[in-house]
Amino acid sequence: GAVVSQHPSWVICKSGTSVKIECRSLDFQATTMFWYRQFPKQSLMLMATSNEGSKATYEQGVEKDKFLINHASLTLSTLTVTSAHPEDSSFYICSAPWGQAAFFGQGTRLTVV
Amino acid sequence: AQTVTQSQPEMSVQEAETVTLSCTYDTSESNYYLFWYKQPPSRQMILVIRQEAYKQQNATENRFSVNFQKAAKSFSLKISDSQLGDTAMYFCAFGRGGGADGLTFGKGTHLIIQP
Repeated sequence: GAVVSQHPSWVICKSGTSVKIECRSLDFQATTMFWYRQFPKQSLMLMATSNEGSKATYEQGVEKDKFLINHASLTLSTLTVTSAHPEDSSFYICSAPWGQAAFFGQGTRLTVV
Repeated sequence: AQTVTQSQPEMSVQEAETVTLSCTYDTSESNYYLFWYKQPPSRQMILVIRQEAYKQQNATENRFSVNFQKAAKSFSLKISDSQLGDTAMYFCAFGRGGGADGLTFGKGTHLIIQP
């Protein structure tokens, strides 16, 4: 199967600091990965597409300078939330495509205090 | 842009019953993929079933099957012999390139299986 691992599962950070979330495809290569955000009791909203070797593409309304994405290798994409504020608190989930479907990481619960 | 609509915020059935979750979508694409994902309390998104729009035959995966009506843009999920472990949020999703493009999700249906 296709396994996607996300780390950390949860993180608490202070307002104004930055936090990095990693997304790894463990048993396959992914030239593209996706980052979603999920608010409590709501659906997943696509934030950005992470492209290996090139710049990420962001959905309308997503701040590029706040959510930095780096796709450094064929198995790793990172999302860095810069200068985090309490309103950035959310559940962040990554996915990678394999076999005509998307496979998801476990998600990261970010709490900014 | 694509839209996905799930009109049932919550459903509750008894164990061993059959339940159908509804999903409609709107798109101008001629070829695409539709998915049902399950999100249990752990919040891990789990692929339940996938349907390719160009295939007329409805997809099935063990107790899970879909009723895909392309002209009506409808994609319902039927769960047979429901089990307690089926309790979860179920999301219907649209993808233009399978998983190769970002997915558009519906708002979800919270399914509760009662013992």
